[in-house]
Amino acid sequence: KQEVTQIPAALSVPEGENLVLNCSFTDSAIYNLQWFRQDPGKGLTSLLLIQSSQREQTSGRLNASLDKSSGRSTLYIAASQPGDSATYLCAVRSGSRLTFGEGTQLTVNP
Amino acid sequence: NAGVMQNPRHLVRRRGQEARLRCSPMKGHSHVYWYRQLPEEGLKFMVYLQKENIIDESGMPKERFSAEFPKEGPSILRIQQVVRGDSAAYFCASSPPRIFSSYNEQFFGPGTRLTVL
Repeated sequence: KQEVTQIPAALSVPEGENLVLNCSFTDSAIYNLQWFRQDPGKGLTSLLLIQSSQREQTSGRLNASLDKSSGRSTLYIAASQPGDSATYLCAVRSGSRLTFGEGTQLTVNP
Repeated sequence: NAGVMQNPRHLVRRRGQEARLRCSPMKGHSHVYWYRQLPEEGLKFMVYLQKENIIDESGMPKERFSAEFPKEGPSILRIQQVVRGDSAAYFCASSPPRIFSSYNEQFFGPGTRLTVL
Protein backbone atom coordinates (compact mmCIF):
# COMPACT_ATOMS: atom_id res chain seq x y z
CA LYS A 1 0.00 0.00 0.00
CA GLN A 2 1.45 3.34 -1.06
CA GLU A 3 2.05 5.88 1.69
CA VAL A 4 3.14 9.48 1.17
CA THR A 5 4.74 11.59 3.87
CA GLN A 6 5.46 15.31 3.74
CA ILE A 7 7.93 17.12 5.94
CA PRO A 8 7.65 19.60 7.53
CA ALA A 9 3.95 19.76 8.35
CA ALA A 10 4.17 23.52 8.71
CA LEU A 11 6.75 26.12 7.79
CA SER A 12 6.92 29.85 8.46
CA VAL A 13 9.59 31.94 6.71
CA PRO A 14 10.31 35.61 6.05
CA GLU A 15 9.73 36.96 2.58
CA GLY A 16 12.59 36.41 0.15
CA GLU A 17 13.86 33.14 1.56
CA ASN A 18 14.52 30.11 -0.58
CA LEU A 19 12.87 27.01 0.83
CA VAL A 20 12.55 23.28 0.29
CA LEU A 21 9.53 21.08 0.90
CA ASN A 22 10.04 17.35 1.17
CA CYS A 23 7.94 14.40 0.08
CA SER A 24 8.66 10.70 0.47
CA PHE A 25 6.75 7.66 -0.74
CA THR A 26 7.02 3.99 0.13
CA ASP A 27 6.43 2.27 -3.23
CA SER A 28 8.71 3.35 -6.07
CA ALA A 29 6.43 1.82 -8.75
CA ILE A 30 4.81 5.11 -9.74
CA TYR A 31 3.70 6.66 -13.02
CA ASN A 32 4.27 10.23 -11.94
CA LEU A 33 4.41 12.65 -9.04
CA GLN A 34 2.48 15.92 -8.83
CA TRP A 35 2.84 18.92 -6.58
CA PHE A 36 -0.32 20.89 -5.88
CA ARG A 37 -1.14 24.09 -4.08
CA GLN A 38 -4.31 24.42 -2.01
CA ASP A 39 -5.53 27.71 -0.58
CA PRO A 40 -7.88 27.63 2.44
CA GLY A 41 -11.36 26.51 1.43
CA LYS A 42 -10.33 26.24 -2.21
CA GLY A 43 -9.56 23.55 -4.75
CA LEU A 44 -6.24 22.17 -5.94
CA THR A 45 -3.96 23.98 -8.34
CA SER A 46 -1.46 21.75 -10.11
CA LEU A 47 2.04 23.23 -9.91
CA LEU A 48 4.33 20.63 -11.44
CA LEU A 49 4.07 17.08 -12.71
CA ILE A 50 7.13 14.86 -12.99
CA GLN A 51 6.86 11.67 -15.03
CA SER A 52 8.52 8.60 -13.53
CA SER A 53 11.26 8.76 -16.20
CA GLN A 54 12.13 12.38 -15.39
CA ARG A 55 14.39 13.79 -12.71
CA GLU A 56 13.05 17.31 -12.38
CA GLN A 57 10.63 19.94 -13.64
CA THR A 58 10.79 23.71 -13.41
CA SER A 59 8.15 26.42 -13.62
CA GLY A 60 9.11 29.97 -12.79
CA ARG A 61 10.37 30.11 -9.20
CA LEU A 62 9.44 26.48 -8.60
CA ASN A 63 11.66 23.45 -9.16
CA ALA A 64 10.65 19.90 -8.31
CA SER A 65 12.98 16.92 -8.30
CA LEU A 66 12.25 13.23 -8.24
CA ASP A 67 14.45 10.36 -7.07
CA LYS A 68 12.21 7.40 -7.72
CA SER A 69 14.63 4.76 -6.46
CA SER A 70 14.86 6.36 -3.03
CA GLY A 71 11.20 7.38 -2.97
CA ARG A 72 11.82 11.09 -2.56
CA SER A 73 10.80 14.37 -4.13
CA THR A 74 11.57 17.95 -3.21
CA LEU A 75 9.83 21.17 -4.15
CA TYR A 76 12.17 24.15 -4.17
CA ILE A 77 10.64 27.62 -4.01
CA ALA A 78 12.99 30.48 -4.78
CA ALA A 79 12.62 34.01 -3.42
CA SER A 80 9.43 33.27 -1.52
CA GLN A 81 6.60 35.84 -1.48
CA PRO A 82 3.59 36.31 0.83
CA GLY A 83 1.37 35.16 -2.05
CA ASP A 84 3.07 31.76 -1.84
CA SER A 85 1.34 31.15 1.51
CA ALA A 86 -0.80 28.04 1.08
CA THR A 87 -0.78 24.30 1.73
CA TYR A 88 1.44 22.34 -0.66
CA LEU A 89 0.42 18.79 -1.44
CA CYS A 90 2.50 16.03 -2.94
CA ALA A 91 0.71 13.17 -4.73
CA VAL A 92 2.00 10.05 -6.48
CA ARG A 93 0.15 8.12 -9.12
CA SER A 94 0.35 4.35 -9.04
CA GLY A 95 -2.37 2.48 -10.86
CA SER A 96 -5.44 4.59 -11.34
CA ARG A 97 -5.33 6.60 -8.15
CA LEU A 98 -3.37 9.46 -6.69
CA THR A 99 -2.10 9.00 -3.14
CA PHE A 100 -1.67 12.30 -1.35
CA GLY A 101 0.52 13.39 1.51
CA GLU A 102 -0.94 15.40 4.39
CA GLY A 103 0.62 18.58 3.05
CA THR A 104 3.00 21.29 4.20
CA GLN A 105 1.32 24.49 5.38
CA LEU A 106 3.55 27.36 4.27
CA THR A 107 3.36 30.90 5.64
CA VAL A 108 5.55 33.58 4.09
CA ASN A 109 5.70 36.66 6.29
CA PRO A 110 6.14 40.11 4.73
CA ASN B 1 -11.79 24.79 -22.77
CA ALA B 2 -13.53 24.93 -19.42
CA GLY B 3 -11.93 23.06 -16.58
CA VAL B 4 -13.51 20.39 -14.42
CA MET B 5 -16.79 21.68 -13.07
CA GLN B 6 -18.43 20.64 -9.84
CA ASN B 7 -21.76 21.64 -8.40
CA PRO B 8 -22.97 22.61 -6.04
CA ARG B 9 -19.92 24.27 -4.52
CA HIS B 10 -21.50 24.15 -1.07
CA LEU B 11 -24.20 21.74 0.09
CA VAL B 12 -25.92 21.61 3.47
CA ARG B 13 -27.91 18.56 4.46
CA ARG B 14 -29.56 17.35 7.65
CA ARG B 15 -28.77 13.93 9.01
CA GLY B 16 -30.67 11.24 7.12
CA GLN B 17 -31.07 13.23 3.90
CA GLU B 18 -29.46 12.38 0.57
CA ALA B 19 -26.60 14.33 -1.00
CA ARG B 20 -25.94 14.38 -4.76
CA LEU B 21 -22.66 15.82 -5.98
CA ARG B 22 -22.10 16.45 -9.67
CA CYS B 23 -18.92 16.53 -11.70
CA SER B 24 -18.54 17.50 -15.35
CA PRO B 25 -15.09 16.49 -16.64
CA MET B 26 -13.02 18.57 -19.00
CA LYS B 27 -14.08 18.35 -22.62
CA GLY B 28 -12.73 15.19 -24.22
CA HIS B 29 -11.91 13.53 -20.89
CA SER B 30 -13.35 10.08 -20.38
CA HIS B 31 -11.95 9.21 -16.94
CA VAL B 32 -13.35 10.58 -13.69
CA TYR B 33 -12.00 10.21 -10.16
CA TRP B 34 -13.57 11.19 -6.83
CA TYR B 35 -11.54 12.10 -3.74
CA ARG B 36 -12.63 13.09 -0.24
CA GLN B 37 -10.87 15.48 2.12
CA LEU B 38 -12.07 15.14 5.69
CA PRO B 39 -11.41 18.06 8.06
CA GLU B 40 -7.74 18.23 9.05
CA GLU B 41 -6.93 15.21 6.86
CA GLY B 42 -5.38 14.62 3.48
CA LEU B 43 -7.23 13.78 0.29
CA LYS B 44 -8.23 10.14 -0.04
CA PHE B 45 -9.16 8.31 -3.23
CA MET B 46 -12.73 7.05 -3.42
CA VAL B 47 -13.60 5.81 -6.90
CA TYR B 48 -12.46 5.77 -10.53
CA LEU B 49 -14.98 5.65 -13.37
CA GLN B 50 -15.02 5.59 -17.12
CA LYS B 51 -18.17 6.20 -19.13
CA GLU B 52 -20.84 3.77 -17.85
CA ASN B 53 -18.27 1.70 -15.91
CA ILE B 54 -16.89 1.69 -12.38
CA ILE B 55 -13.23 0.69 -12.72
CA ASP B 56 -11.99 0.95 -9.12
CA GLU B 57 -14.21 1.62 -6.12
CA SER B 58 -11.83 0.33 -3.48
CA GLY B 59 -11.84 3.65 -1.64
CA MET B 60 -15.60 3.94 -1.33
CA PRO B 61 -17.30 3.29 2.01
CA LYS B 62 -19.21 0.04 1.73
CA GLU B 63 -22.58 1.48 2.61
CA ARG B 64 -24.57 4.58 1.62
CA PHE B 65 -22.11 5.77 -1.05
CA SER B 66 -22.47 5.18 -4.78
CA ALA B 67 -21.09 6.73 -7.94
CA GLU B 68 -22.00 6.71 -11.60
CA PHE B 69 -20.76 8.21 -14.85
CA PRO B 70 -23.52 7.79 -17.42
CA LYS B 71 -23.11 7.89 -21.18
CA GLU B 72 -24.62 11.36 -21.21
CA GLY B 73 -24.33 13.92 -18.45
CA PRO B 74 -22.11 14.46 -15.45
CA SER B 75 -20.69 11.98 -13.00
CA ILE B 76 -22.73 11.75 -9.79
CA LEU B 77 -21.51 10.89 -6.31
CA ARG B 78 -24.51 9.97 -4.19
CA ILE B 79 -24.54 9.72 -0.42
CA GLN B 80 -27.67 8.30 1.15
CA GLN B 81 -28.77 8.93 4.74
CA VAL B 82 -25.93 11.34 5.44
CA VAL B 83 -24.30 11.47 8.88
CA ARG B 84 -22.18 14.20 10.46
CA GLY B 85 -19.02 12.23 9.65
CA ASP B 86 -19.74 12.69 5.92
CA SER B 87 -19.00 16.43 6.25
CA ALA B 88 -16.00 16.97 4.03
CA ALA B 89 -14.78 18.47 0.78
CA TYR B 90 -15.38 16.17 -2.18
CA PHE B 91 -13.13 16.70 -5.19
CA CYS B 92 -13.55 15.37 -8.67
CA ALA B 93 -10.72 14.99 -11.17
CA SER B 94 -10.67 13.96 -14.81
CA SER B 95 -8.08 12.74 -17.28
CA PRO B 96 -8.04 12.24 -21.05
CA PRO B 97 -8.19 8.87 -22.86
CA ARG B 98 -5.04 6.73 -22.91
CA ILE B 99 -4.25 7.62 -26.53
CA PHE B 100 -3.10 11.02 -25.28
CA SER B 101 0.32 11.41 -23.74
CA SER B 102 -1.14 13.38 -20.84
CA TYR B 103 -3.59 10.62 -19.96
CA ASN B 104 -2.04 9.99 -16.58
CA GLU B 105 -2.36 13.59 -15.39
CA GLN B 106 -5.45 14.35 -13.35
CA PHE B 107 -7.10 17.75 -13.47
CA PHE B 108 -9.10 18.75 -10.41
CA GLY B 109 -12.35 20.62 -9.96
CA PRO B 110 -12.99 23.23 -7.24
CA GLY B 111 -14.71 20.74 -4.95
CA THR B 112 -18.07 20.49 -3.21
CA ARG B 113 -18.08 21.25 0.48
CA LEU B 114 -20.71 19.14 2.20
CA THR B 115 -21.91 20.10 5.66
CA VAL B 116 -24.20 17.74 7.53
CA LEU B 117 -26.14 19.35 10.36
